[in-house]
Amino acid sequence: QLQLQESGPGLVKPSETLSLTCTVSGDSISTTKYYWDWIRQPPGKGLEWIGSIFYSGSTYYNPSLKSRVTISVDSSKNQFSLRLNSVTAADTAVYYCARYSSSPHNWFDPWGQGTLVTVSS
Amino acid sequence: QSALTQPASVSGSPGQSITISCSGASSDVGGYKFVSWYQQHPGKAPKLVIYDVSNRPSGISNRFSGSKSGNTASLTISGLQAEDEADYYCSSYTSSSTLRLFGGGTKLTVL
Repeated sequence: QLQLQESGPGLVKPSETLSLTCTVSGDSISTTKYYWDWIRQPPGKGLEWIGSIFYSGSTYYNPSLKSRVTISVDSSKNQFSLRLNSVTAADTAVYYCARYSSSPHNWFDPWGQGTLVTVSS
Repeated sequence: QSALTQPASVSGSPGQSITISCSGASSDVGGYKFVSWYQQHPGKAPKLVIYDVSNRPSGISNRFSGSKSGNTASLTISGLQAEDEADYYCSSYTSSSTLRLFGGGTKLTVL
């Protein structure tokens, strides 16, 4: 059964870089079928898509975050990572990683349990 | 591209049916059969309950159903149960295939 698990610091200072890793277990991340995505949810608010990576390294980002986001993949560790630089309090959120299928079926499944990142000095 | 539009809240009594709408455009909801719905209980990760407009993943109750008309998709939950109380989000494929879209979320209250 495929499982995803986020890890990383729960507290980041303003203007610094947020770094998270998603470890995939139960299947290889090096698949041509799926993408690997990051999604966040500020406290009490809705879901916001951050970006996506294909096993080949091709990346796709939310235009509103594109200038500050980098997503990378480490196939040897079956992990993919998120870096968000120049963070502010507005980046405080629960960050989720998820597997994304584009076609022939379209869905995010499964999701990691999520990790809360607080931006504060 | 703007987020998809959902009502902020809906409510229903146990045993009743409710419908949550998800409005988009011809470049997303209306243009493809790729709308999915997610259930999120407080403090938990979202869970897929409908994909490709009307398909249920294995293990999801047949009380959950989906449909689409024009640029609006809908999630219907029949025979409401207390455990259905949660937030629900829609998502759609878009004409910009590299982008993902979510709705703003709908809070379902079971009275």
